[in-house]
Amino acid sequence: EDKVVQSPLSLVVHEGDTVTLNCSYEVTNFRSLLWYKQEKKAPTFLFMLTSSGIEKKSGRLSSILDKKELFSILNITATQTGDSAVYLCAVDSTGGTNAGKSTFGDGTTLTVKP
Amino acid sequence: DVKVTQSSRYLVKRTGEKVFLECVQDMDHENMFWYRQDPGLGLRLIYFSYDVKMKEKGDIPEGYSVSREKKERFSLILESASTNQTSMYLCASSPTDGEGHNEQFFGPGTRLTVL
Repeated sequence: EDKVVQSPLSLVVHEGDTVTLNCSYEVTNFRSLLWYKQEKKAPTFLFMLTSSGIEKKSGRLSSILDKKELFSILNITATQTGDSAVYLCAVDSTGGTNAGKSTFGDGTTLTVKP
Repeated sequence: DVKVTQSSRYLVKRTGEKVFLECVQDMDHENMFWYRQDPGLGLRLIYFSYDVKMKEKGDIPEGYSVSREKKERFSLILESASTNQTSMYLCASSPTDGEGHNEQFFGPGTRLTVL
């Protein structure tokens, strides 16, 4: 059974801090790892990672994948209160079709205090 | 912009009722998904579909069925609603590229309460 584990489950920081969120996985037929941000609504896409060692970056957010050790990290530098959200990690596998079936972790709830 | 819409934001039903949750996407995506999201359990896949009239069970299909008669519409059906199906239901869609690496676009969710 495919499994995605995120840590920590929750995190409280102050504005300006840097945070690292972790995602480890065990899946068969791995294709990609995706990070989503969920505020009080539907998840929105942040990054998709398919290759080890190549950092994806968007503003203050960055992410990297290690396919040998089966994990990914999401870094947020100079956090702001608007970064407060649940961050979801999902791993995309073939699932026997071409549908891109994703298995989600439980998420990390990040709270950024002013 | 990809748009995924769900028929209701909030729904209250009684135990034993038949419930239909509708999802429509406007970007001609091949793949559509139904998840439920519960505190401490994350997003769990109920069913997905990679083509019209095709469906596959996800991780928790029991008590649910789906219908995909048209490419843009994917319906989730609770044949006889039970209180343990009280949850947030999220629909998503994704295109299929040549290598199958695709982000999913989510609808706003339907919060279903079964009394």
